[in-house]
Amino acid sequence: DVKVTQSSRYLVKRTGEKVFLECVQDMDHENMFWYRQDPGLGLRLIYFSYDVKMKEKGDIPEGYSVSREKKERFSLILESASTNQTSMYLCAAQGSNTGELFFGEGSRLTVL
Amino acid sequence: AQSVTQPDIHITVSEGASLELRCNYSYGATPYLFWYVQSPGQGLQLLLKYFSGDTLVQGIKGFEAEFKRSQSSFNLRKPSVHWSDAAEYFCAVGLNYGGSQGNLIFGKGTKLSVKP
Repeated sequence: DVKVTQSSRYLVKRTGEKVFLECVQDMDHENMFWYRQDPGLGLRLIYFSYDVKMKEKGDIPEGYSVSREKKERFSLILESASTNQTSMYLCAAQGSNTGELFFGEGSRLTVL
Repeated sequence: AQSVTQPDIHITVSEGASLELRCNYSYGATPYLFWYVQSPGQGLQLLLKYFSGDTLVQGIKGFEAEFKRSQSSFNLRKPSVHWSDAAEYFCAVGLNYGGSQGNLIFGKGTKLSVKP
């Protein structure tokens, strides 16, 4: 199975700080995704990437950017964190033959 | 627009009882269908998936799901629930973009509690 590793499980940041959430997958998959999960709202897609240096906006890209310089790594960037970005962030890589998503353990971000 | 509906936000069942979690989708063609489970503080784990063929699919941990095209449904079932099944369950629809895989649309989830 694919292993997806998110570098930070828990982060606490202050309003206005720049935040990097890192995600690495070990199976050479092209497609990678960043979701945000909030109670009652389910998973909402922030950004996804089909290949190195390729990125597409999801449903809620405002306030976020992404970077994909290497195939295995997909980073989510909050240029200036705000309290409404306090959430659980989930990274996923997509199996090319099956379409299923393999998720990391999640990064819980608190912005004070 | 494509959508996935899980009508039950929270379900409580007794240990040993049967379980059915409902999922309905809205999509013009037959989508790829998935059920995921999430334990507290964890990422999502795939339980099972449907692409084509037999409409009854078996998954891990004793779960199964049935695709019913006429009802646009993909309900998850388990004949006998264990306390360790307490978690949140997400139904998802996969949209195939031009032959390559694409985003999954997720339902809002159903939280399962298990009574001893």
